[in-house]
Amino acid sequence: AQSVSQHNHHVILSEAASLELGCNYSYGGTVNLFWYVQYPGQHLQLLLKYFSGDPLVKGIKGFEAEFIKSKFSFNLRKPSVQWSDTAEYFCAVNAQAAGNKLTFGGGTRVLVKP
Amino acid sequence: EPEVTQTPSHQVTQMGQEVILRCVPISNHLYFYWYRQILGQKVEFLVSFYNNEISEKSEIFDDQFSVERPDGSNFTLKIRSTKLEDSAMYFCASSGPGSETQYFGPGTRLLVL
Repeated sequence: AQSVSQHNHHVILSEAASLELGCNYSYGGTVNLFWYVQYPGQHLQLLLKYFSGDPLVKGIKGFEAEFIKSKFSFNLRKPSVQWSDTAEYFCAVNAQAAGNKLTFGGGTRVLVKP
Repeated sequence: EPEVTQTPSHQVTQMGQEVILRCVPISNHLYFYWYRQILGQKVEFLVSFYNNEISEKSEIFDDQFSVERPDGSNFTLKIRSTKLEDSAMYFCASSGPGSETQYFGPGTRLLVL
């Protein structure tokens, strides 16, 4: 069975700082990879996804993620965060041979100080 | 932009009672899902539903749980006899034909006393 781990539970940083959130998964087959964000009081929203092709994917709000197959990683990055990026970020994996279910990481709470 | 909606937003119930959580998926979507998140834990897959039947379910989805698409728009999760450990946030999601991207509703927070 696949599993997903996110390295940091909490991250605190100042506006304009760079952000990188780690995500590793364990599954030997082909995967689809996702980052979702949950802003305070709101529902899970898709930030970006990787299915195939260019391993560097760009999402909404200036976020990007890089799929490194050899490292089973899909880290999320943003060069310069804003206060409005305060949210919880979830990495999720869908193993293509295992139906449509998503397996989530534990989430990372990001607090951006103004 | 179309969204998945869920009702109620909060529900408090007594242990042993039945609850029905309701979801309205995005209108042209064909795949429907329920997930839950117990406080402080990961979001966990419960069940997926396609073509009026369950396509996959997790170990959590035991005989106490059932899903139904009673009409062309609603998708429901029923818990027959709630337990304390069923207290969680329940998320509905849907995805379209040929799309692996799931869109989530705002969740229903269920508290079992």
